[in-house]
Amino acid sequence: GEDVEQSLFLSVREGDSSVINCTYTDSSSTYLYWYKQEPGAGLQLLTYIFSNMDMKQDQRLTVLLNKKDKHLSLRIADTQTGDSAIYFCAWGFNKFYFGSGTKLNVKP
Amino acid sequence: SAVISQKPSRDICQRGTSLTIQCQVDSQVTMMFWYRQQPGQSLTLIATANQGSEATYESGFVIDKFPISRPNLTFSTLTVSNMSPEDSSIYLCSVRQGGDTGELFFGEGSRLTVL
Repeated sequence: GEDVEQSLFLSVREGDSSVINCTYTDSSSTYLYWYKQEPGAGLQLLTYIFSNMDMKQDQRLTVLLNKKDKHLSLRIADTQTGDSAIYFCAWGFNKFYFGSGTKLNVKP
Repeated sequence: SAVISQKPSRDICQRGTSLTIQCQVDSQVTMMFWYRQQPGQSLTLIATANQGSEATYESGFVIDKFPISRPNLTFSTLTVSNMSPEDSSIYLCSVRQGGDTGELFFGEGSRLTVL
């Protein structure tokens, strides 16, 4: 599979912004995705970005893509306790590969 | 978006036995995949379930250990054969629908514990 690296843990206070990073080694996909996994639940698609874009904003979520450095980030504004989960970046077309996941902990 | 149902949602199994996980989708989909998520780990693709032909396995996964069926465009099964404690994982069925973004949708997963 493709190597997709993420930082393992992130802890923020409620109301702060969270930034989750993802570095990948292959760039053949048309889209890049962010998924959220809450405890005991399946994966939920949060947002995606087209590979020709640098930035996409979707309510509290901002996705930045730096194709030159193969770096993707997800910024969550005004982070809430309900945002506590594991976040995975994902990449692919006919097959999808997932990053190692970042566990976000939001403290009240 | 597709609605995916997996059965069983969880099970406790004895070493050496086999278990079949079912995945039912509420609409016809072209591409179905099976993933494994070991405790505290990311998702690893096991195989692509091909309708009407043998599944395509990723490196490190073989048909004898993880036989897969896909008799039609809405249903697939994954069998975990001759289980050992190392097979304790969440197994996730996912589908990719057509359209511009082609994202993956996931079932809730089947959590297997092998004693």
